Amino acid sequence: DAGVTQSPTHLIKTRGQQVTLRCSPKSGHDTVSWYQQALGQGPQFIFQYYEEEERQRGNFPDRFSGHQFPNYSSELNVNALLLGDSALYLCASSLGDPFLPLDGYTFGSGTRLTVV
Amino acid sequence: AQKVTQAQTEISVVEKEDVTLDCVYETRDTTYYLFWYKQPPSGELVFLIRRNSFDEQNEISGRYSWNFQKSTSSFNFTITASQVVDSAVYFCALSGYGNEKLTFGTGTRLTIIP
Repeated sequence: DAGVTQSPTHLIKTRGQQVTLRCSPKSGHDTVSWYQQALGQGPQFIFQYYEEEERQRGNFPDRFSGHQFPNYSSELNVNALLLGDSALYLCASSLGDPFLPLDGYTFGSGTRLTVV
Repeated sequence: AQKVTQAQTEISVVEKEDVTLDCVYETRDTTYYLFWYKQPPSGELVFLIRRNSFDEQNEISGRYSWNFQKSTSSFNFTITASQVVDSAVYFCALSGYGNEKLTFGTGTRLTIIP
């Protein structure tokens, strides 16, 4: 049973460019959340997608946008990249049921984005 | 607003010693979840435990145990007889009831010295 898959693993972009990160949720999961983890910090919630709609959003600017597809996979887009956007971007999947299953959220290994 | 504090930035212990990782949280919710995750160098967050706010029973899983005390808003994690494979960054996290966002602490880097 495949867990959460993220691509690419590593990415280097130039300041001002745009980037798209991809996530395939764990089999059976329908909800995808994205987190940003700066070096030495805990992950920070960006947003969550359920039924192809953004359901919750953290304190991130509009440069951060996302999408969820009918097969539950998701993309995270970041426009006008800043040096401060350099981080590990983690995707987590879960079931949309309000009563969270025992194992909660399943995380992928992340995409390491470096902005130069 | 929710907040999780992990005051211990780094801990080093010699293999086979016991070690406790502290976690203190703040929330206005009456029902919530608490989590511990392990992050090895590969980057993936590995789920260790989820606790419901209404269940204060402590839990043991092999060498791992968790002490949840609602009165002090703490959810501490103890590794007994530590092993080198336990070396990682450990995160405590909090969420509202349901599919709510996770609020993480800043993590504790645990190094087990052979």
